[in-house]
Amino acid sequence: DAGVTQSPTHLIKTRGQQVTLRCSPKSGHDTVSWYQQALGQGPQFIFQYYEEEERQRGNFPDRFSGHQFPNYSSELNVNALLLGDSALYLCASSFDRFGEQYFGPGTRLTVT
Amino acid sequence: AQSVSQHNHHVILSEAASLELGCNYSYGGTVNLFWYVQYPGQHLQLLLKYFSGDPLVKGIKGFEAEFIKSKFSFNLRKPSVQWSDTAEYFCAVFYNFNKFYFGSGTKLNVKP
Repeated sequence: DAGVTQSPTHLIKTRGQQVTLRCSPKSGHDTVSWYQQALGQGPQFIFQYYEEEERQRGNFPDRFSGHQFPNYSSELNVNALLLGDSALYLCASSFDRFGEQYFGPGTRLTVT
Repeated sequence: AQSVSQHNHHVILSEAASLELGCNYSYGGTVNLFWYVQYPGQHLQLLLKYFSGDPLVKGIKGFEAEFIKSKFSFNLRKPSVQWSDTAEYFCAVFYNFNKFYFGSGTKLNVKP
């Protein structure tokens, strides 16, 4: 049984560009949450998707958007990249909106 | 705004020493509490969780945590650490079934 998978593993982008990160949840999970983890800090909640809709959102600007597909996989899009967007982006899935979260390995985004 | 504080950023212990990592959270209504661990090169994984009931919860690998509502604390303990416990530990709080907040993490280094 595959756990949470994320792609790509690493990504380098230039300031002002746009990026899309992908996440496949653990089998049987229908809820996906995204987090940003800057170096030396804990993960910060970006948003949560359930039934293909954004259900909860953290304190992130509208440049951060997402999508959930009928197969429960999800994308995180970030527009107009800033240097400060450089971080590890984590995806977590759960059985429902309130369940234990299982984390993927993350995508390391570097903005130059 | 809700917040989670982990006051110990870096802890160094010898094997067999006892461990206690502090976690305090700000008031914010109903809380569900978690400790996650990240071993070197691995994903975040759940150590233990508290939803309700007995405030002393036991997790994997001999870890336990005590929820003290009056102190807004959820400290992690282990009576005797091993070298394999070297990792980064994160406290997380789920407020009002709404948003997850993580602490900044504590790096534990156990010397053999």
